Amino acid sequence: DAGITQSPRHKVTETGTPVTLRCHQTENHRYMYWYRQDPGHGLRLIHYSYGVKDTDKGEVSDGYSVSRSKTEDFLLTLESATSSQTSVYFCAIRTGEGANYGYTFGSGTRLTVV
Amino acid sequence: KNQVEQSPQSLIILEGKNCTLQCNYTVSPFSNLRWYKQDTGRGPVSLTIMTFSENTKSNGRYTATLDADTKQSSLHITASQLSDSASYICVVSGYGGSQGNLIFGKGTKLSVKP
Repeated sequence: DAGITQSPRHKVTETGTPVTLRCHQTENHRYMYWYRQDPGHGLRLIHYSYGVKDTDKGEVSDGYSVSRSKTEDFLLTLESATSSQTSVYFCAIRTGEGANYGYTFGSGTRLTVV
Repeated sequence: KNQVEQSPQSLIILEGKNCTLQCNYTVSPFSNLRWYKQDTGRGPVSLTIMTFSENTKSNGRYTATLDADTKQSSLHITASQLSDSASYICVVSGYGGSQGNLIFGKGTKLSVKP
């Protein structure tokens, strides 16, 4: 996906361990988002950022924290992973201005907590 | 409650046939409506975006319609191809907010068979 990469693409971790997912963009966009996608649900917003060191909670933020120390990187951390956090995680950037702004999504990170 | 409902949940069609996917929403106030295509193992990719004043938008073989009065949208795929096999997600935006106010539908999974 142009301008946005997620790492790792797949991860298996044990319950109770910390996990950090990385989202990297190359185009200096201000807004970045973390979503999770689960069967039977639409994508749900976890956290978002509107600038360096500026972040806020989304709909399903419990158990997650984020950091954005520079424009290009937005990190999602699970402090102590639980099985309910097994999911596919997508990062997105907001592009464009005005009424036709868009969202570009990364390819996702499939996280399994065992 | 802001909601986006899509139908059908899944659909199987033969290559070369047309199909129409439906999206009903209760999001208010309404800003715009987007259709995304999500291939298996990938992030969503934008197909169309429509604001309140637009009632049709095309992108190649994909044509989206919007009836803001009845709060309904449809995505019509013409002359389907095997590569159209994917999930199609309807996303509605409310006004304002850095978080994007995106409400995601659960998607329609389309399978195109030879």
